[in-house]
Formats: sequence, C-alpha cells, structure tokens
Amino acid sequence: TQLLEQSPQFLSIQEGENLTVYCNSSSVFSSLQWYRQEPGEGPVLLVTVVTGGEVKKLKRLTFQFGDARKDSSLHITAAQPGDTGLYLCAGPISGTYKYIFGTGTRLKVLA
Amino acid sequence: DTEVTQTPKHLVMGMTNKKSLKCEQHMGHRAMYWYKQKAKKPPELMFVYSYEKLSINESVPSRFSPECPNSSLLNLHLHALQPEDSALYLCASSQDSGSYGQPQHFGDGTRLSIL
Repeated sequence: TQLLEQSPQFLSIQEGENLTVYCNSSSVFSSLQWYRQEPGEGPVLLVTVVTGGEVKKLKRLTFQFGDARKDSSLHITAAQPGDTGLYLCAGPISGTYKYIFGTGTRLKVLA
Repeated sequence: DTEVTQTPKHLVMGMTNKKSLKCEQHMGHRAMYWYKQKAKKPPELMFVYSYEKLSINESVPSRFSPECPNSSLLNLHLHALQPEDSALYLCASSQDSGSYGQPQHFGDGTRLSIL
C-alpha cells in the first residue's frame, strides 16, 4: 500500500520566518503534486514535480522532488499571513486513475 | 477562480430527502472524481469516472449514487443520508491518468449538512 506521510502536522510561526514541509513515502511516484487549501474552499494546485531532483520555484515557495522520486519538500521563505492554510501533497498510483493524499500540514502564520 | 464549478455551495438536508450535487468542467479533461473531506483531514476518494465510465468505486454506501451524463458533467445523487455523511464534497478533474503526470484540479466543494 502506498502512503504519503507529511511532517510536521502543525506549524505556527511568525511572519517573516522560513519553514520546510516534508512529504515522504517508501514508494516511487511518477509525479507529486502540492496543494494549498483554505477553510471552506477546494485544494488549489501549487505545482507538479515529475523529474527526480527537480526544483521548482513559485515566488517565495520552493518545491523539490527527491532524486529517487520517493519524497518531496516545500520550503517557504519569509512566510506571510496569506500563506496560512492546509498544505497537501498527492501522488498518482501507477496504472490507475487513483491519487493518494498526504496526511496534511496545517500552517498558521501570525502577523 | 476555479475551472471546476460545483453547485450548490452549501446544502442542508434531512435524512429522508433526495438531493443532487453537480460538477462541471470545460477543460476537456477525461477523468472526473468525487471526494469526501472531513474537517482538518485530507480528501478521501469516493468515485472516479474515466472517459465517462465508472472506473473506481471505493466501497461507497449505495445512498451515494454517481452519474456522468457527458464528459463535462458529474453528478452525485444523495438519498437517505446519515448525520455522519456531513462533510465537504469535492469534485476534481484531470486530463488523463495521473501516471502521465497529470494533476487534479479541484472545485470549491459543496458543504453538506445532514439534519
């Protein structure tokens, strides 16, 4: 069974601090997606990483896919209150239309 | 703005009512999904339609009945729901199988409350 474990589960930081969220598995994924979800809304796609070792940047957010394609990280530089939300990683199960989601990281950035 | 549109945004129904949730996408995606999400938890997959055919049913109770009238529309028919079915119901679509690196795109969900 493929699983995606995220850490930490909860993070409360001050505005301007940096943070890293991890998404780990013992299984290889062909790609991983990162989403941010705010209360009462659907998950919003932030990025898809496909190639092992790939690094993608989205403004203050940096995403990395592990060389072996078993893990990924999300680094936020100088966090802002607008970054508050639930961060989810997700990956497809090979040969199916099924995606599995990570356990989620709830981030709160205090002004 | 989301490219997957869900209606209604909120729904309150009694346990004997029949209602439907609707989802629409115009991105030409060939796979559409229903998820259930409880507070502070990740989404849980319920159903997947690929090329308008039901390809995955995650052992969902029969009081939930999905329907895919065409490649752009997805419905979820609800009947005789239980209070524990109260949740955020999310619709998603993807261009094809995730094996090709295609991500899912989500709607804003329907907040369902069962009285």
